[in-house]
Amino acid sequence: AQSVTQLDSQVPVFEEAPVELRCNYSSSVSVYLFWYVQYPNQGLQLLLKYLSGSTLVKGINGFEAEFNKSQTSFHLRKPSVHISDTAEYFCAVSENEKLTFGTGTRLTIIP
Amino acid sequence: DAGITQSPRYKITETGRQVTLMCHQTWSHSYMFWYRQDLGHGLRLIYYSAAADITDKGEVPDGYVVSRSKTENFPLTLESATRSQTSVYFCASSAGNNEQFFGPGTRLTVL
Repeated sequence: AQSVTQLDSQVPVFEEAPVELRCNYSSSVSVYLFWYVQYPNQGLQLLLKYLSGSTLVKGINGFEAEFNKSQTSFHLRKPSVHISDTAEYFCAVSENEKLTFGTGTRLTIIP
Repeated sequence: DAGITQSPRYKITETGRQVTLMCHQTWSHSYMFWYRQDLGHGLRLIYYSAAADITDKGEVPDGYVVSRSKTENFPLTLESATRSQTSVYFCASSAGNNEQFFGPGTRLTVL
């Protein structure tokens, strides 16, 4: 069975500072990994995905993530955050088209 | 407009009543999914469908019923609502490439 762990439930960051949101996974089959963002009172929007190929994946809004097979991690990073990045971020792993989500990390940007 | 829609967006009901949440997608995606989102749990899969007339249970199916007579619709029914089913429900669809697109959600309160 697959599972996803997001160790940080809340991450406060000053505006224009870098941020890393951590995600570790377990899966018994080929790994497809995703980061979704949820803005207040909205649905989930895909930030980026890893299906195969380069382990460094670039997404929307300046975010990127690195797939590390040996550490079973898929951490999300942004070099300089903006107030508009305030949201909840979910890491997910897919197996047979079914997504298993982590419990989410709430990113708060401090002006 | 194209996309995935859910109705109603908000619903208040009473314990024991039957409630149906609707989901409609215009992409002709083969896969459709229902998730519930609760604090501390992230999103959990209730039911999914790989095609019309094919449905299967997810992680938390008890108390829910689904059907899929048409590719574009995937209604979720709570046959006898309970307070523990108070949640935000998200529908999603996928073309079978592991990437899911989410609807805006339905906030359900069971009194």
